[in-house]
Amino acid sequence: QQKVQQSPESLIVPEGGMASLNCTSSDRNVDYFWWYRQHSGKSPKMLMSIFSNGEKEEGRFTVHLNKASLHTSLHIRDSQPSDSALYLCAASITGSFNKLTFGAGTRLAVCP
Amino acid sequence: AQTIHQWPVAEIKAVGSPLSLGCTIKGKSSPNLYWYWQATGGTLQQLFYSITVGQVESVVQLNLSASRPKDDQFILSTEKLLLSHSGFYLCAWSLGTEVFFGKGTRLTVV
Repeated sequence: QQKVQQSPESLIVPEGGMASLNCTSSDRNVDYFWWYRQHSGKSPKMLMSIFSNGEKEEGRFTVHLNKASLHTSLHIRDSQPSDSALYLCAASITGSFNKLTFGAGTRLAVCP
Repeated sequence: AQTIHQWPVAEIKAVGSPLSLGCTIKGKSSPNLYWYWQATGGTLQQLFYSITVGQVESVVQLNLSASRPKDDQFILSTEKLLLSHSGFYLCAWSLGTEVFFGKGTRLTVV
């Protein structure tokens, strides 16, 4: 069964700092990754998705993907207290989006 | 615009009692529908998915069942709740690659 491993489990960064989160899949068939953000008591909201090797940037958020190592990372620059949340990585196989597998998440705290 | 509505928002139920949670999706025709469960502090786990009316696939066995009686409705239920059923239940939909979640139902089994 596919597993999605996220690290670190928790992360504290100062306001204005850079947060870097990691995610790796154990299934070599995986080729699509998502990053979701879940504030406490709320439902997850998708931040970004990536399926091509390389980098994708949207505002303060940048996602990297290395398909050879099945590793993706999310970087948040100029972190804000409102970025404090649980960040979930999810992976799937193209054509099998019904089977989205989530990692356990990284809990990010941004301190003023 | 598409909307997803889940009910109830929260429930406190006794062990052994029945449960029915629901969600409706408006503004999308024939979406893929999903039920997810998240134990407190736990991983988000897919329970069921449905591609079309009347067809539901089980992903994880948790003594729960799901049904899709209409194109825009997905129901999660059980005859007898266990303490381990406590958690956050999320209904979700997709029509392609991205999955959109409802606001969830917080279930506490006592």
